Amino acid sequence: DAKTTQPTSMDCAEGRAANLPCNHSTISGNEYVYWYRQIHSQGPQYIIHGLKNNETNEMASLIITEDRKSSTLILPHATLRDTAVYYCIVRVSITQGGSEKLVFGKGTKLTVNP
Amino acid sequence: GAGVSQSPSNKVTEKGKDVELRCDPISGHTALYWYRQSLGQGLEFLIYFQGNSAPDKSGLPSDRFSAERTGGSVSTLTIQRTQQEDSAVYLCASSRQGASYGYTFGSGTRLTVV
Repeated sequence: DAKTTQPTSMDCAEGRAANLPCNHSTISGNEYVYWYRQIHSQGPQYIIHGLKNNETNEMASLIITEDRKSSTLILPHATLRDTAVYYCIVRVSITQGGSEKLVFGKGTKLTVNP
Repeated sequence: GAGVSQSPSNKVTEKGKDVELRCDPISGHTALYWYRQSLGQGLEFLIYFQGNSAPDKSGLPSDRFSAERTGGSVSTLTIQRTQQEDSAVYLCASSRQGASYGYTFGSGTRLTVV
């Protein structure tokens, strides 16, 4: 089962900031928070990830709460091309002899409106 | 190549036939994953390869499904005696080892069983 919960859908006006929340209340200390998005009929695209500190790259910003139980992905100036399903995932470090897999939940369907 | 390459991009097969799907990961990526996505559904984990370790096959839905990874690079997912419920997009991803690295997904193979 996915270790994250996200709203099923959100809307945002073009040019405005899109703030996508994610709850991961059972996250462990060595688990990273990853965000991916999937535009219709394409493979998932990596956006950003973080462990404890807030992160920013050319696509988005990631704000992680101090207790790490939730995070928010921010698209600062949403465009129509940002319409996609956004997935929030926790990823654990590999331990010796262990295995890992990203478990995708249902994500948030973001619709950017003109 | 620059990205994860999957072939074929589309495959239509008759029920009961065997199919092979190929994934060519990014050079230097030791981890390789197979997922599938049925129409309108989320991503379902199938199998994970990490270096020379035994693969994690926990997501394979039945013994008709198998996968191998030769020389730690190219992977082939084989579905024997295909059924209509096998129709889906099969996605491959690769990654460097470690939770601080993101996955890069291929564009997928759309399998249709008629």
